[in-house]
Amino acid sequence: EVQLVETGGGLIQPGGSLRLSCAASGLTVSSNYMSWVRQAPGKGLEWVSIIYGGGNTNYADSVKGRFTISRDNSKNTLYFQMNGLRAEDTAMYYCASSSTYATFDYWGQGTLVTVSS
Amino acid sequence: DIQMTQSPSSLSASVGDRVTITCRASQGLDNALAWFQQKPGRAPKSLIYTVSSLQSGVPSRFSGSGSGTDFTLTISSLQPEDFATYYCQQHRHYPLTFGGGTKVEIQ
Repeated sequence: EVQLVETGGGLIQPGGSLRLSCAASGLTVSSNYMSWVRQAPGKGLEWVSIIYGGGNTNYADSVKGRFTISRDNSKNTLYFQMNGLRAEDTAMYYCASSSTYATFDYWGQGTLVTVSS
Repeated sequence: DIQMTQSPSSLSASVGDRVTITCRASQGLDNALAWFQQKPGRAPKSLIYTVSSLQSGVPSRFSGSGSGTDFTLTISSLQPEDFATYYCQQHRHYPLTFGGGTKVEIQ
C-alpha cells in the first residue's frame, strides 16, 4: 500500500523559510514523478513543482526562484525548501506521485503552511 | 499556460441521477487529461488518467471521455458517497494546470 506522509508545515512570518518533507512507503521516490500541489483555503488545486525520476525538476512561475524540490533516495523522502514566503503561499501543501505521467495517482494527507505576521 | 475551464462550477443532483461534468482546454491535450475527486477536509483522490483509464478501486459508474480540447467525466448513477468536488487536470504541457472544480451537491 502506498503512503505519503507530509510534515513540516506551520505558522511562519513573511520572508521566512520552511522545509516540507514527504516520507514515502510502498513506492520508490526516485522511480516516480513526485510533485507538490497546494490548495489555498477555500480555493482550487494549484500544481507548484515536480521532480522526475531522472532528477529533472520543474516549477510554477509563482514559486520559481524561491522554492526548491529535492529528494533523499536513501530515506525515500521528498522535500520542498520554501524561502521568501509570502502571504499568498498560505495553503495546504500536498505531496503526490505518479509512476507513468506528470499527474497525481497517490496523495498525502497534506501539511498546512500559514504565512502571517 | 493551458487554461482548463470546467462547467458547471456547481450542480445539485439526486441519488441515482446521471451526472456529466465537462472540461475544456485552451489547447489540445492529446490524451493527457486526468480527473480527481475531493471531499471536504480530505486530500484529492485520483479517479481517471489519460482521459478514460479508471484508477484501481474506482467504481465503474465513473467514466471519462473526450479528445483534443473537450473532455467529460460522467457518473452513471450518483451515489451518496459521490457528493464532492471534482477537478480535471492536464499534464500535456508545463505548467501543469487544474480546472476550477465542480461541486456536486445533494438536491
